[in-house]
Amino acid sequence: DIQMTQSPSSLSASVGDRVTITCRASQFISSDLNWYQQNPGKAPKLLIYAASSLQSGVPSRFSGSGSGTVFTLTISSLQPEDFATYYCQQNYNIPRTFGQGTKVEVK
Amino acid sequence: QFQLQESGPGLVKPSETLSLACSVSGGSISNYYWTWIRQSPGKGLEWIGYIYYSGRTNYNPSLKSRVTISVDTSTNQFSLMLSSVTAADTAIYYCARHGRTGNYFYFDYWGQGILVTVSS
Repeated sequence: DIQMTQSPSSLSASVGDRVTITCRASQFISSDLNWYQQNPGKAPKLLIYAASSLQSGVPSRFSGSGSGTVFTLTISSLQPEDFATYYCQQNYNIPRTFGQGTKVEVK
Repeated sequence: QFQLQESGPGLVKPSETLSLACSVSGGSISNYYWTWIRQSPGKGLEWIGYIYYSGRTNYNPSLKSRVTISVDTSTNQFSLMLSSVTAADTAIYYCARHGRTGNYFYFDYWGQGILVTVSS
């Protein structure tokens, strides 16, 4: 299985901060990497697909980059509704696998 | 706008079979892949498997011996069966759609999730 490792596991930030989350794959996955946001008690929501493509309806403050084994999700200016847990997910191989999550908390 | 809704028992006894259904509305189940994902505190998000509307499946090898996913295009539903459950199968189970852009797939529509507890 391809292991997806996110860092940090949690972070504290303030509204307006620039936030960056890193996801590392245990082997090459090209650009086959998706990012999701999950709020408590809710299903994950797709933010970014194919490493850098913004899903329709997602605010442009979210962006993704990377290819191969290292990827980043950036929130350019954190908003109150962005305090949530974020997951990366690879679609390159079976089984599909997710990172362990990064919780963005209020500082 | 697709909407997905999971249904099934919230409590299953150890060694029995967990059975869930996912009803799809707002569009046809045809021409898409459909997947089951579960989430537990101990294991995070775990992909269980997918099915194409034609019936072709692919399962997580770690669960393959116990999992069956099926589809019924006449009712716009797909289903999950997980046999010989243990407490480790206690989780929130989500159904989701595989969206696609070119060669890239992603989970773009999700059900709200259903908590299934395995306990006697």
